[in-house]
Amino acid sequence: EAQVTQNPRYLITVTGKKLTVTCSQNMNHEYMSWYRQDPGLGLRQIYYSMNVEVTDKGDVPEGYKVSRKEKRNFPLILESPSPNQTSLYFCASSLQGGETQYFGPGTRLLVL
Amino acid sequence: GESVGLHLPTLSVQEGDNSIINCAYSNSASDYFIWYKQESGKGPQFIIDIRSNMDKRQGQRVTVLLNKTVKHLSLQIAATQPGDSAVYFCAENPSSGGYNKLIFGAGTRLAVHP
Repeated sequence: EAQVTQNPRYLITVTGKKLTVTCSQNMNHEYMSWYRQDPGLGLRQIYYSMNVEVTDKGDVPEGYKVSRKEKRNFPLILESPSPNQTSLYFCASSLQGGETQYFGPGTRLLVL
Repeated sequence: GESVGLHLPTLSVQEGDNSIINCAYSNSASDYFIWYKQESGKGPQFIIDIRSNMDKRQGQRVTVLLNKTVKHLSLQIAATQPGDSAVYFCAENPSSGGYNKLIFGAGTRLAVHP
């Protein structure tokens, strides 16, 4: 089944404790992206990747890192999480940038 | 529960009625548009898309209309069902020249009453 998977789905952590949210797609898509979704603010892009080893900042990259060592995986790294990073996070992929994106199920993060 | 729907405009319809959800897009150069449905606790799900060389496209129970003159996009859902209750987003690709992102609208909550 073609899909985007994310892990974990739910995470509670404390300020400053490094964490990684994994994202994987099995559709051989070149483009992958991370979004955060907050009430009243909609979907905001954090980082995106056009292909392996090619990443770039989205609209709200501060406090986040990403890597794209393999085509299928695009982990989101929070080196030192802060409470303002409490949010719902979505990974998405598409064949190419600007085309239909397919979303993962979301990761709900709470930073205390 | 799902908190993403707070502060969103809400369209309430009776089961069986037709629903029309509207979206105003921002960039006159946008050439590709998508509608997504997001159910509580899930990620956005692709419904239907349309390119700027068309003004109407139909799917199963859904129709998307594009009016480039006024930069307006609408999603029509025929015979709305309780399972259609969700938040609906439009998205636009500002350019066919390989622009690297989609721009998402804020969303509209559709509430279907029996």
